[in-house]
Amino acid sequence: GAVVSQHPSWVICKSGTSVKIECRSLDFQATTMFWYRQFPKQSLMLMATSNEGSKATYEQGVEKDKFLINHASLTLSTLTVTSAHPEDSSFYICSALPANEQFFGPGTRLTVL
Amino acid sequence: QKEVEQNSGPLSVPEGAIASLNCTYSDRGSQSFFWYRQYSGKSPELIMSIYSNGDKEDGRFTAQLNKASQYVSLLIRDSQPSDSATYLCAVRAGSYQLTFGKGTKLSVIP
Repeated sequence: GAVVSQHPSWVICKSGTSVKIECRSLDFQATTMFWYRQFPKQSLMLMATSNEGSKATYEQGVEKDKFLINHASLTLSTLTVTSAHPEDSSFYICSALPANEQFFGPGTRLTVL
Repeated sequence: QKEVEQNSGPLSVPEGAIASLNCTYSDRGSQSFFWYRQYSGKSPELIMSIYSNGDKEDGRFTAQLNKASQYVSLLIRDSQPSDSATYLCAVRAGSYQLTFGKGTKLSVIP
């Protein structure tokens, strides 16, 4: 299957700081990428759909000013968690669609102290 | 509202048995169906996709789709302890977005 990478794989930060997570499609171009969040023992929650060259589409209840998404190229989307707080600690996963099938990156575990 | 329902489990099967995972969906316009496997602490991994009624086999895995009944299932033959994971059913109805079920936790007992 297609390869999607994420960086970093884990990050620990202090409350109030911002964290940027990168998502790259390594062997295909992705006009659309998705950002999910998963809390322990819970299901995947779609946060936003990232579209290359245009604004992201956020799901209801997701603060667009807190979770900044930039999809500046066909192989890179970034998610910035601004002014992170402990309740933002979670597993953040991106995914992309090379064709009809959606592939996930390995995820980024964020811990906010 | 589009819904995808799965039994949360845990589903326990002995090693070598057939594990049967089930999923129902509410949107009759759904066209694409997927099964993902997620190990604890890892991201989901695509294991099967199915688009038309009937069975699709890939190794030890068989996906079954019945659009009339709005039902999709995954059979795992000769279950192995390494198959122990949470299995997510996902459905797409035209747009890019997938709707996920909450997953069924499978435990294969040696």
